[in-house]
Amino acid sequence: GDSVTQMEGPVTLSEEAFLTINCTYTATGYPSLFWYVQYPGEGLQLLLKATKADDKGSNKGFEATYRKETTSFHLEKGSVQVSDSAVYFCALKGYGGSQGNLIFGKGTKLSVKP
Amino acid sequence: EAGVAQSPRYKIIEKRQSVAFWCNPISGHATLYWYQQILGQGPKLLIQFQNNGVVDDSQLPKDRFSAERLKGVDSTLKIQPAKLEDSAVYLCASSPGTGVDNEQFFGPGTRLTVL
Repeated sequence: GDSVTQMEGPVTLSEEAFLTINCTYTATGYPSLFWYVQYPGEGLQLLLKATKADDKGSNKGFEATYRKETTSFHLEKGSVQVSDSAVYFCALKGYGGSQGNLIFGKGTKLSVKP
Repeated sequence: EAGVAQSPRYKIIEKRQSVAFWCNPISGHATLYWYQQILGQGPKLLIQFQNNGVVDDSQLPKDRFSAERLKGVDSTLKIQPAKLEDSAVYLCASSPGTGVDNEQFFGPGTRLTVL
């Protein structure tokens, strides 16, 4: 079935460092891909998405490009801030066995130190 | 615009007891989802409603879990009897529809601890 694999955390960075969180997927056909963020004490929020190959999603300085050839959707940010500390989830929405529902990775906890 | 509301925020029960969670979705959202998020894992879909009908409950442990959305608005999720492995955060989400352009909006979750 469809699945998402993302890099294990936690990830600890200093402020202004470059961030990459790796995400790869297995899916039938051409799923849509998402990054969600969960700040402490809050619900999941959609950070960005891409619905077809080579699309780039971006929001709040974060970017991710849908790479069909490598089945990847890595999250990047050029300069992280303390306020970016959160748990980040990669997810897909497929059209096969998952019936269009979101399938999440395990999450990667990011801590940014001043 | 009010977000997805859930209550209670925290619940502690002993195994074999029953528990219920409530969710009020964003007004006008036809689709409602319940997810289970076990510590260290991503959310896993339990059940999806479209208005007051069930679209997908394939991952709902039906011997102990039940859910309803009688008037197509708010929803309750019940566990009876609870097991230790049910300790998790239960997330409710809603969206206008089910297409890929329909963003799911999540509530803050209910953290359940089963002792």
